[in-house]
Amino acid sequence: AQKITQTQPGMFVQEKEAVTLDCTYDTSDPSYGLFWYKQPSSGEMIFLIYQGSYDQQNATEGRYSLNFQKARKSANLVISASQLGDSAMYFCAMREGDSNYQLIWGAGTKLIIKP
Amino acid sequence: EPEVTQTPSHQVTQMGQEVILRCVPISNHLYFYWYRQILGQKVEFLVSFYNNEISEKSEIFDDQFSVERPDGSNFTLKIRSTKLEDSAMYFCASFQGIYEQYFGPGTRLTVT
Repeated sequence: AQKITQTQPGMFVQEKEAVTLDCTYDTSDPSYGLFWYKQPSSGEMIFLIYQGSYDQQNATEGRYSLNFQKARKSANLVISASQLGDSAMYFCAMREGDSNYQLIWGAGTKLIIKP
Repeated sequence: EPEVTQTPSHQVTQMGQEVILRCVPISNHLYFYWYRQILGQKVEFLVSFYNNEISEKSEIFDDQFSVERPDGSNFTLKIRSTKLEDSAMYFCASFQGIYEQYFGPGTRLTVT
């Protein structure tokens, strides 16, 4: 079974609009972390935001916020006021507490911002 | 800000040849990883390295692969006899023990 599911292979969004990228996860470990990374066409992997399973509040980093719904096992990334430079692949990843901290990755969502 | 570096950025090799991909993790980090990403696909975990030994490896990390941290600074991934299906982007990452893993810029390996 997939541990990280990203159901949107691609999205088109108008510049300046907000966008939500979906991510659901599956784990039985009570301690885990959820991450979002951005991969532009140049290929590097850029860390965006982190949410720990015990964090009481949703994580925020500038224009990025994570809508963490623990009971639904979802960790959607919200980008406010999208910019052309936000066009990239976005990956959701999970780290389980009893592992050697390696990341388990979703298939990614290709986001294209239209001017 | 500290960063993970990887060399080379692009490596082209012939099938059957050995390649060594190099990484310099962040110096005070404890955990080191190699991941790979075949073009257009998801990122896959290869191996984790802690306390100078492999702590976990995936099914992909077979006998053709090996890792070393020879001098306390560099962290290398060796592929002994490359196959066409080894063509991918290889990412090195390091981790202090909390929060995020820091990724290098990747090495694009092309096997012809």
